Amino acid sequence: EIVMTQSPATLSVSPGERATLSCRASQSVSSNLAWYQQKPGQAPRLLIYGASTRATGIPARFSGSGSGTEFTLTISSLQSEDFAIYYCQQYNNWPPLTFGGGTKVEIK
Amino acid sequence: EVHLLESGGGLVQPGGSLRLSCAASGFTFSSYSMTWVRQAPGKGLEWVSAISGSGGSTYYADSVKGRFTISRDNSKNTLSLQMNSLRAEDTAVYYCAKDVGSNYLYYFNYWGQGTLVTVSS
Repeated sequence: EIVMTQSPATLSVSPGERATLSCRASQSVSSNLAWYQQKPGQAPRLLIYGASTRATGIPARFSGSGSGTEFTLTISSLQSEDFAIYYCQQYNNWPPLTFGGGTKVEIK
Repeated sequence: EVHLLESGGGLVQPGGSLRLSCAASGFTFSSYSMTWVRQAPGKGLEWVSAISGSGGSTYYADSVKGRFTISRDNSKNTLSLQMNSLRAEDTAVYYCAKDVGSNYLYYFNYWGQGTLVTVSS
């Protein structure tokens, strides 16, 4: 099973600032990585797939990078609606599909 | 517009059973793999089970293997999860999610709103 580790667990950022979230895989997942955003009481929403491709309707301030075992989600200028929990998920080796533990982006 | 609506959650005693359903609309249901993902209270996401578009292939997390059974009825656009021998650690919101693939597992571009399963005496 591929273990996905996200860091930090919590990121405190001021509106308008850049946020950088990390996701590490226990073995290479190539570029088979997705990012999701989840707000309280809501289902997750797909942001990024293929490590760097934005899903339909996702603003350009969200960008993904990386391959192999190291991945980054960057939010270039945080908006109020971006404060949420972010999860990475690998789909290179399955079953099982595996998620990271999440990074909570909170208002500083 | 894609729509996924889960139902069937509720309170059940340890050792009991529950059947979850997910009604799908807005896409060709039989063309896509479907997945159940759960989230324990205050915790992260955990993949539970998946089924290919045809229903011919099923996959399970080790934590539920032998206790849960995933199925689908492509004539009724419905996904199901039969959960037996439930444990307290199965308490979670259960989401059904649409995969982007048909025969393989990838990532999920649509999610339902979830149904809460509580296992407690």
